[in-house]
Amino acid sequence: NAGVTQTPKFQVLKTGQSMTLQCAQDMNHEYMSWYRQDPGMGLRLIHYSVGAGITDQGEVPNGYNVSRSTTEDFPLRLLSAAPSQTSVYFCASRFPLADTQYFGPGTRLTVL
Amino acid sequence: GDSVTQMEGPVTLSEEAFLTINCTYTATGYPSLFWYVQYPGEGLQLLLKATKADDKGSNKGFEATYRKETTSFHLEKGSVQVSDSAVYFCALRRNDMRFGAGTRLTVKP
Repeated sequence: NAGVTQTPKFQVLKTGQSMTLQCAQDMNHEYMSWYRQDPGMGLRLIHYSVGAGITDQGEVPNGYNVSRSTTEDFPLRLLSAAPSQTSVYFCASRFPLADTQYFGPGTRLTVL
Repeated sequence: GDSVTQMEGPVTLSEEAFLTINCTYTATGYPSLFWYVQYPGEGLQLLLKATKADDKGSNKGFEATYRKETTSFHLEKGSVQVSDSAVYFCALRRNDMRFGAGTRLTVKP
C-alpha cells in the first residue's frame, strides 16, 4: 500500500497562473479531503468528498475547485493563483465512519 | 461552530521532563477527539484518540483523557525523548475534522 500520495512536493507559481495538485489513495477510502496549513492556524478544510461524484465545501473553499471522478483520485485545482494561497496543502482520506484519517506528505506551494 | 483551542508554543523541554499540552474544544454533542503529530517534512499521523467522555487514549507513552465537564483533552507524557520533537495538533470530529493551531515541541538532550 502506498497510502495517500501527493504530487508535486514543491511548486512555485506566479500570480494568476493555474495548476492542479494531485492526490491519490489506494486504500479504497470513500472520504477524501483537502486541507491547507498556515503558521499559527492549524489545518483548515478546503473541500471534501464522501464518494465518487460527490464533493462539498469546507471552511475555506474560495479560489479552489475539486472533482471526484474515481474513488482513488481527488485533485485540487487553483484557477487563478494568488499570494494568499501560499501554503502547505495536505490531502487526507478515511472510511466514512472511521476515526483514523490518513494524510499525504503535503505539497508546499508558493505564489509570487 | 466547532472549534479547538490549544496552548501556544513553542514548548522546549529537557529530555525526561514531564509534558503537558493543553487542549480545549467547543462543540455541541459528543465529538470524537484526537491528537495528531507532525514530524519535520511529513504529513500528520494519528497519535491517539478518544470517542466518548472519560475515555483515555494512549500511545507511545502519551495519554489524553476526554473530559466532558471541562471540554478538555490535554496531552501528557511522563518522560519526553529527543525523538518526540514535533508539532502536535489537537482535533475534533463530528461531521468533519477541526484542528487546533498546533504546538511545536522541542526536546533537548
